[in-house]
Amino acid sequence: EVQLVESGGGLVQPGGSLRLSCAASGFTFSNYWMHWVRQAPGKGLVWVSRVNGDGSATSYADSVKGRFTISRDNAKNTLYLQMDSLTAEDTAVYYCARFMGGYWGQGTLVTVSS
Amino acid sequence: QSALTQPASVSGSPGQSITISCTGTSSDVGGSNFVSWYQQHPGKAPKLMIFEVSTRPSGVSNRFSGSKSGNTASLTISGLQAEDEADYYCCSNAGIREVFGGGTKLTVL
Repeated sequence: EVQLVESGGGLVQPGGSLRLSCAASGFTFSNYWMHWVRQAPGKGLVWVSRVNGDGSATSYADSVKGRFTISRDNAKNTLYLQMDSLTAEDTAVYYCARFMGGYWGQGTLVTVSS
Repeated sequence: QSALTQPASVSGSPGQSITISCTGTSSDVGGSNFVSWYQQHPGKAPKLMIFEVSTRPSGVSNRFSGSKSGNTASLTISGLQAEDEADYYCCSNAGIREVFGGGTKLTVL
């Protein structure tokens, strides 16, 4: 059974940093592109970033480019999102997702507030 | 990077059919076969309902169907049921990025 479990969310001050993790199981992790998608409270889904199977190709939404870094450790079957220079506009539930097959985690809440 | 355009809300009575549109550009919906639709109930993770424009994943009811014409994709739900009441999002590949629609709230009257 495919499972994606996010962790690392929490309360952080504006300008601060946070690293999200997504532990994957039930499939050959290195074979798939992985994505981060976020959803601000009461708002819609917004794509954030993606990375290819071996980690050599990444892309970002303009709103996070230069501040967020996606990476993966295929030996640990784990996806990461390093988030720096956080602002209130980054407050959201962050989901990791394998679009192929439609697998999503349960999400982790990031709150940026002083 | 503009979101794809969806109606904010649609409604229908049980048993009826509804269609949700998703309008983009030739750089995303119009130029991609990777258009998908997600259903999201409150407090839950999104669920994939349609991928590659018109393909249903295993386990998704055949009441759900997808299509595309030009820069607009559509999701049709036939035989509306109370459990279909949810938010629906389209998503399209747009080259090196992905883009979601703003979401449509479906109300079953």
